[in-house]
Amino acid sequence: AQKVTQAQTEISVVEKEDVTLDCVYETRDTTYYLFWYKQPPSGELVFLIRRNSFDEQNEISGRYSWNFQKSTSSFNFTITASQVVDSAVYFCALSEQTGANNLFFGTGTRLTVIP
Amino acid sequence: DSGVTQTPKHLITATGQRVTLRCSPRSGDLSVYWYQQSLDQGLQFLIQYYNGEERAKGNILERFSAQQFPDLHSELNLSSLELGDSALYFCASSAREGSSAGRNEQFFGPGTRLTVL
Repeated sequence: AQKVTQAQTEISVVEKEDVTLDCVYETRDTTYYLFWYKQPPSGELVFLIRRNSFDEQNEISGRYSWNFQKSTSSFNFTITASQVVDSAVYFCALSEQTGANNLFFGTGTRLTVIP
Repeated sequence: DSGVTQTPKHLITATGQRVTLRCSPRSGDLSVYWYQQSLDQGLQFLIQYYNGEERAKGNILERFSAQQFPDLHSELNLSSLELGDSALYFCASSAREGSSAGRNEQFFGPGTRLTVL
């Protein structure tokens, strides 16, 4: 069965600090897809990144970076030099190759960046 | 702006009533998904349609149903509403026409906040 665990319920950091959001997943599929979404206070879900299981290359996009490690079933998200606008709930999600294209979400991590 | 639109933004109704939530996917996207976000259940997949046909069902109650129309917009119907149905309902779309129906990222609409009193 598939599962996504985001053990950090809430994190608070001071502006300009770096912060890492953890995501651990479980799946029996050998091919799967991992995602991160951001939900700001306004409520919408904003797509951040998709990673395929066969591509373990880490990715950097501006202040955002993602560390995918199949050996530990983790897909962690780091924000460098955090800003107040980064305050949001961040969701990690999994989609398996077998079955439908639906997303299984973790419970989310609420990040608060203090000015 | 994801390109996915949902109406209405807010809906307040009473127990036992029936409501319809509407979603228009991004231009060219054939797949529509419905998700429910509640405090106790988190974000849960309800149902998926692809080009008018039901593709997958998740934790969708029998009191809930959905359909996707020829113009690709979708409606989620919730009936015999209960207090516990109060939640944020998201629609998402993926798979532009002509691309593979693989595991494309899903783009979410702004959601409909349903309050059942």
